Amino acid sequence: AAGVIQSPRHLIKEKRETATLKCYPIPRHDTVYWYQQGPGQDPQFLISFYEKMQSDKGSIPDRFSAQQFSDYHSELNMSSLELGDSALYFCASSLAGGVGNTIYFGEGSWLTVV
Amino acid sequence: DQQVKQNSPSLSVQEGRISILNCDYTNSMFDYFLWYKKYPAEGPTFLISISSIKDKNEDGRFTVFLNKSAKHLSLHIVPSQPGDSAVYFCASEGAQKLVFGQGTRLTINP
Repeated sequence: AAGVIQSPRHLIKEKRETATLKCYPIPRHDTVYWYQQGPGQDPQFLISFYEKMQSDKGSIPDRFSAQQFSDYHSELNMSSLELGDSALYFCASSLAGGVGNTIYFGEGSWLTVV
Repeated sequence: DQQVKQNSPSLSVQEGRISILNCDYTNSMFDYFLWYKKYPAEGPTFLISISSIKDKNEDGRFTVFLNKSAKHLSLHIVPSQPGDSAVYFCASEGAQKLVFGQGTRLTINP
């Protein structure tokens, strides 16, 4: 069965550069979530989208933006990168519309800022 | 405000014995609860879930118990196997919010 696909799996950027991470949800899933997990930290919710509209916003820095496209894939854009942005970014997808929507996660994208 | 709490950062269990991981939540709007297993450098893998209308759900070696009045859930793994060593996150869902606990590192000793 198809899972949540994230790309790239690993990314190295320099400070002040820009990075874009992509997330392809499970087919027919209409909701995408983005999480950030720094070394030794809990996953932190960044932002979520439902039917291409932002549905919730967490601790996402102003330097970051995201969107969900017509094919339901989502991109997380990070600008003016800082060393503290180095983390594992993983996205998740689900099919909204009721109680008990299991959320499936991708493998994550490792961002290293040097 | 930590809405989902896993008060034990680590747990060590002998192979073959039962592992019990605990999780408490505060938001009564949560109506669906999930457990995820996470290895380093990977995204969380879904393990088992339970709806608020149930108090128990079982899948093989994994059983999740929900006590709504206490706002408490637990994951039982029996028998524990070395491959179960990982970080386990509980998560609570409601109104399109998914909130994770801090995670518990489970180590299964041979």
